[in-house]
Amino acid sequence: SQTIHQWPATLVQPVGSPLSLECTVEGTSNPNLYWYRQAAGRGLQLLFYSVGIGQISSEVPQNLSASRPQDRQFILSSKKLLLSDSGFYLCAWSAGTENQPQHFGDGTRLSIL
Amino acid sequence: RKEVEQDPGPFNVPEGATVAFNCTYSNSASQSFFWYRQDCRKEPKLLMSVYSSGNEDGRFTAQLNRASQYISLLIRDSKLSDSATYLCVVTVNTGGFKTIFGAGTRLFVKA
Repeated sequence: SQTIHQWPATLVQPVGSPLSLECTVEGTSNPNLYWYRQAAGRGLQLLFYSVGIGQISSEVPQNLSASRPQDRQFILSSKKLLLSDSGFYLCAWSAGTENQPQHFGDGTRLSIL
Repeated sequence: RKEVEQDPGPFNVPEGATVAFNCTYSNSASQSFFWYRQDCRKEPKLLMSVYSSGNEDGRFTAQLNRASQYISLLIRDSKLSDSATYLCVVTVNTGGFKTIFGAGTRLFVKA
C-alpha cells in the first residue's frame, strides 16, 4: 500500500532563517505531488504541484520554492522565512492518472518567531 | 463566486441526529468529486468519493447532481467522533486537471 511521510511534525524558526521540509511517498511510482499551506481556521492554499521529476508548478508567488529531486521526493524550501510563513504545511500525493483523490501527509506545523 | 462553495457552518447537532452537508461547484467541466474529513490540527483524510449514481458507506451517503452542480453528504445516526470539518473537493479538467478544495463545514456532535 502507499504511504506518505512528511517531516518534521513541528518546527519553530526565527524570522529570516532558511526552511527545508521534506516529503516522501512509498508504494507508488510517478505520483503527482503537492504542497499546501493552511492558516489557522482557514482553507487549504495550494503552493506547488509536480507531475514529474524536476517539474514544478507554482500557484502563489512568494518566498517559498519547491523541488522534486527524485520521483517520490518533494521538498519545500525558503531562503529567508517571513512571519507570514507561519502555518500548517501539508504534502499530498495522487496517482498520476487524472481525477484521482489526493492523500495527505501528517503535516508540519511551522511557527515563525 | 467561489469555484466550490460549502455551507459556512458550524453545525451543532446532538448524537443520533442526521446531518446534511451541501456543496455547489461553478465549473461544468468538473469531473470527479470527493468528501474529505479534517480533524482539528490534523491532515485532511479522504472520506468517500462521490459517484454519479450516488453511493453509501455505512452511515454516510454521498450524492451528486450534475445538472444542478450540487454535491451532498448525509451522515445518519451521528456520533461524537463525527465531529470534524468536512471538505468538499472537486477536480476540473482545464486542459490539465485541477483539484479545488472547499473551505469546509465544521460539525460539532454533542452528547
